[in-house]
Amino acid sequence: KAGVTQTPRYLIKTRGQQVTLSCSPISGHRSVSWYQQTPGQGLQFLFEYFSETQRNKGNFPGRFSGRQFSNSRSEMNVSTLELGDSALYLCASSGSRGKNTEAFFGQGTRLTVV
Amino acid sequence: GDSVTQMEGPVTLSEEAFLTINCTYTATGYPSLFWYVQYPGEGLQLLLKATKADDKGSNKGFEATYRKETTSFHLEKGSVQVSDSAVYFCALHHGQNFVFGPGTRLSVLP
Repeated sequence: KAGVTQTPRYLIKTRGQQVTLSCSPISGHRSVSWYQQTPGQGLQFLFEYFSETQRNKGNFPGRFSGRQFSNSRSEMNVSTLELGDSALYLCASSGSRGKNTEAFFGQGTRLTVV
Repeated sequence: GDSVTQMEGPVTLSEEAFLTINCTYTATGYPSLFWYVQYPGEGLQLLLKATKADDKGSNKGFEATYRKETTSFHLEKGSVQVSDSAVYFCALHHGQNFVFGPGTRLSVLP
């Protein structure tokens, strides 16, 4: 079955702009989580959506937001981009929630802010 | 809060050498523990996991045992291959989200 698909793979944006990233989870998976990966901070949790509801949120400013659609596809949006937002954004999908759940990651979207 | 510490490397080994990557964690309760691997230009792939104390996770020759008494989950492989070159992340999950270690870059030379 198809894996987690993230689009686009690469993005270059200018400071102050906004950006929307997309994630299509594995078919049948209802949980989608987003992580930011940077060389300095490593992998940091952004938020989790399950059945169209945000269930959990990491420690990021309000410029970072997301949503999930009825088909479980998810988008995250970053407004008023800053240079420090340059990162690899990873999406993970799971068939359920809980600590034993295996997460499947997409290849990520590499965002560069100039 | 919860945290994961692991040796950051880089670790450079010759093919067929023994590999150990240390991982320790701090967490409330009893999290599940994971090792994920990231190859260049790729996302993370689950390597192995353990969900309770004394469980051993294993996959593709890699092993790790959940040690509650030492709060550790060290990754081992008896004989590494060039194809094992990647970044390895230790992680815990306590029911809300993953908490990842900083990653350990492994390079295996032929």
